[in-house]
Amino acid sequence: AQSVTQLDSQVPVFEEAPVELRCNYSSSVSVYLFWYVQYPNQGLQLLLKYLSGSTLVKGINGFEAEFNKSQTSFHLRKPSVHISDTAEYFCAVSEGKTSGSRLTFGEGTQLTVNP
Amino acid sequence: DGGITQSPKYLFRKEGQNVTLSCEQNLNHDAMYWYRQDPGQGLRLIYYSQIVNDFQKGDIAEGYSVSREKKESFPLTVTSAQKNPTAFYLCASSILDRAGEQYFGPGTRLTVT
Repeated sequence: AQSVTQLDSQVPVFEEAPVELRCNYSSSVSVYLFWYVQYPNQGLQLLLKYLSGSTLVKGINGFEAEFNKSQTSFHLRKPSVHISDTAEYFCAVSEGKTSGSRLTFGEGTQLTVNP
Repeated sequence: DGGITQSPKYLFRKEGQNVTLSCEQNLNHDAMYWYRQDPGQGLRLIYYSQIVNDFQKGDIAEGYSVSREKKESFPLTVTSAQKNPTAFYLCASSILDRAGEQYFGPGTRLTVT
């Protein structure tokens, strides 16, 4: 069975600082990996995805993530954060493409960007 | 604009009452999903549907029921059998072979007292 662990429940940073949100997964087969963002009292929005190919994937709002198969990780990074990046971020894994394949979410990391 | 709508945004009910949460999408997606979100627990899958008139249980289906009579609509009923129904409920949809790329509605916050 697949699982996702987000190693930090809260990450406080100052504006314009770099940030890394850590995600590790567990699966016995090849996986597809995703990061979603949730602003307060809203639904989730897809930030970026890894399906195949290049291990460095770029997403919206200047975020990027690197798939590391040997370390079973998919950490999210941004070189310089803004106040507007304050939100909760979820890492998710799927073992297939069809809707019969479950999307398993991590518990979330609250990113707070301070002025 | 295409998207997913959920109504109402906030819902209050007394214990012992059934309540139905609405979810509508105009993205022409075949697959639809219901998740429950509790603080510090991420999202947990309640039910999902890949086609009209068919749906499957997720990880926490007990105390919930769904229907899929139309492609655009996937309402969720929280029954009185659900022991702890107070939560934030999220509906999502996707193209059938892109299940990881889900589009989410704004959510309904249900409070049962």
